[in-house]
Amino acid sequence: SQQGEEDPQALSIQEGENATMNCSYKTSINNLQWYRQNSGRGLVHLILIRSNEREKHSGRLRVTLDTSKKSSSLLITASRAADTASYFCATDAIAGNTPLVFGKGTRLSVIA
Amino acid sequence: DVKVTQSSRYLVKRTGEKVFLECVQDMDHENMFWYRQDPGLGLRLIYFSYDVKMKEKGDIPEGYSVSREKKERFSLILESASTNQTSMYLCASSFILAGGRNEQFFGPGTRLTVL
Repeated sequence: SQQGEEDPQALSIQEGENATMNCSYKTSINNLQWYRQNSGRGLVHLILIRSNEREKHSGRLRVTLDTSKKSSSLLITASRAADTASYFCATDAIAGNTPLVFGKGTRLSVIA
Repeated sequence: DVKVTQSSRYLVKRTGEKVFLECVQDMDHENMFWYRQDPGLGLRLIYFSYDVKMKEKGDIPEGYSVSREKKERFSLILESASTNQTSMYLCASSFILAGGRNEQFFGPGTRLTVL
């Protein structure tokens, strides 16, 4: 399978700053999803953006999708120490009920 | 709330042992998945299942097998554990929904160490 690629691999910011993570993928998709993983725990779904949507908001999260460039970005505004985690994008390919394909993740550290 | 539970958070086994990792979900999801997660490699899909008694190979099925006798339970089996199977194992489940929406719900993970 073809994984998405997150960029950067690691990001360190001060509390209150915005954090931006990017994801690139290779195949045509139904939707793209972002997940969060606290250290040593399972993944938690954050937000889903469909292929016909360009931008979506949920609280302090803003996701954009550019299907022509096969890329997405996740913006976390006014970051908090509790946002420290790894963030993964996952793509849902057009070809039927296929498993999500996860990227390798961005490790975000928010310093208080 | 959807709940996906895994039988152990931490497990230590010896090389050659048969290992069972159990996963149970309580939301009547059709789909269930097993991943392993290793530093620098992200999540890699081992096996998945779309229905009872059905199974499909993922990207790295070698050395693993699965069993799904009941809809809510999906077991991962390491027939003869090896040290290179030391990893974090994550189970997930999802509905089959129209339009490709298939948000996955994850269990807390099992950290397996094979000595």
